[in-house]
Amino acid sequence: QVQLQESDPGVVKPSETLSLSCTVSGGSISPYYWSWIRQPPGKGLEWIGYIYYTGDAKYNPSLKSRVYMSVDTSKNLFSLSLTSVSAADTAVYYCARGSGDWDYWGQGTLVTVSS
Amino acid sequence: QSALTQPASVSGSPGQSITVSCTGTSDDVGGYNIVSWYQQHPGKAPKLMIYEVSKRPSGVSVRFSGSKSGNTASLTISGLQAEDEADYYCCAYAGSYSYVFGSGTKVTVL
Repeated sequence: QVQLQESDPGVVKPSETLSLSCTVSGGSISPYYWSWIRQPPGKGLEWIGYIYYTGDAKYNPSLKSRVYMSVDTSKNLFSLSLTSVSAADTAVYYCARGSGDWDYWGQGTLVTVSS
Repeated sequence: QSALTQPASVSGSPGQSITVSCTGTSDDVGGYNIVSWYQQHPGKAPKLMIYEVSKRPSGVSVRFSGSKSGNTASLTISGLQAEDEADYYCCAYAGSYSYVFGSGTKVTVL
């Protein structure tokens, strides 16, 4: 059974960079797409972007200037960086398998942007 | 990219059928047969219920079905059960390798 586990950065200060990783167990990171999706408290889901196991990534146009994703096949994990964060980036961040129909999800990690 | 439009809430009695709509444009819902639906219980991660408009993943109850007409996709839950009470989100391919979610619908079992 494939399982995904997000890291837990907790609180990030405004204007700093949010960094998250997602470790995949019970299966290989290849040859799949892997995504990040977030959900502000009490609000809906927002697609952030996805990355192929080869490293090819696509991002939400509204976040594209601040987002970077990477993959480490040797460690079976992929990562998200979001720069210049503000309170609007406070959300539960989920990692998931797929590029548009996500069949396996992590439990989610709450990232709070606060000074 | 604007969020797809879903009704804020839909309710039904046990055993009834309900339908949740998801309205977009010809640039997303209407342009591609790439629409998925997710069920989310409070405090939990979303669960894939329907993909590619009408396909059901293994393990998902046959009571859940999906369809699309023009710029509107729909999720139908037949034989409504108490465990179906949750938030439901649609998601569609919006071109240029991007995806957009719906605003979400709270399904209540009366």
